[in-house]
Amino acid sequence: SQQGEEDPQALSIQEGENATMNCSYKTSINNLQWYRQNSGRGLVHLILIRSNEREKHSGRLRVTLDTSKKSSSLLITASRAADTASYFCATGYNNAGNMLTFGGGTRLMVKP
Amino acid sequence: ETGVTQSPTHLIKTRGQQVTLRCSSQSGHNTVSWYQQALGQGPQFIFQYYREEENGRGNFPPRFSGLQFPNYSSELNVNALELDDSALYLCASSPGLAGWVISNEQYFGPGTRLTVT
Repeated sequence: SQQGEEDPQALSIQEGENATMNCSYKTSINNLQWYRQNSGRGLVHLILIRSNEREKHSGRLRVTLDTSKKSSSLLITASRAADTASYFCATGYNNAGNMLTFGGGTRLMVKP
Repeated sequence: ETGVTQSPTHLIKTRGQQVTLRCSSQSGHNTVSWYQQALGQGPQFIFQYYREEENGRGNFPPRFSGLQFPNYSSELNVNALELDDSALYLCASSPGLAGWVISNEQYFGPGTRLTVT
């Protein structure tokens, strides 16, 4: 079963707009990571935020983490057609046998 | 592109058969994890190997088994295939246990698409 839910499940925007994806989870975590997947292929790591961090930036990506609400958001600014992909959040737990638990993903389409 | 490779790329099997999927981890990585991703869903953790020993297992039946070799490459074996085993199987390597290995990003291979008919 999935750890949590991502919202929205699908998102369609125009090139140049910002895209925001949200992720919720159920139990306390050690860290939260965001991954990108193109067309059912391998996942690419985007960014990792630890449970004691609130915000992190990487290029056009901004991730926030609210442990009190058990939620995170990924913001992609000035989106490009090449950003079209599925985006997944994954959580790592304190006592979870060293596994990542993924959400169901947000399918982002950026129209040129 | 990560340095993680998987073979084969695609595979078609019949219900009841057995399958072996292979993964070569990125250079310097001694931890390998396997995930199953059904169509339209997120990956689900199957198990992880660290220095040839199983280091954690998800909610998968015993007919899912694995191996890790001294060069840290890995195999996933599935016996008595069922239709629901049709999925993309992803292998991911990470640098290894340094504190919490789950704190490290994982480097994914391109996956093996398994179809069970």
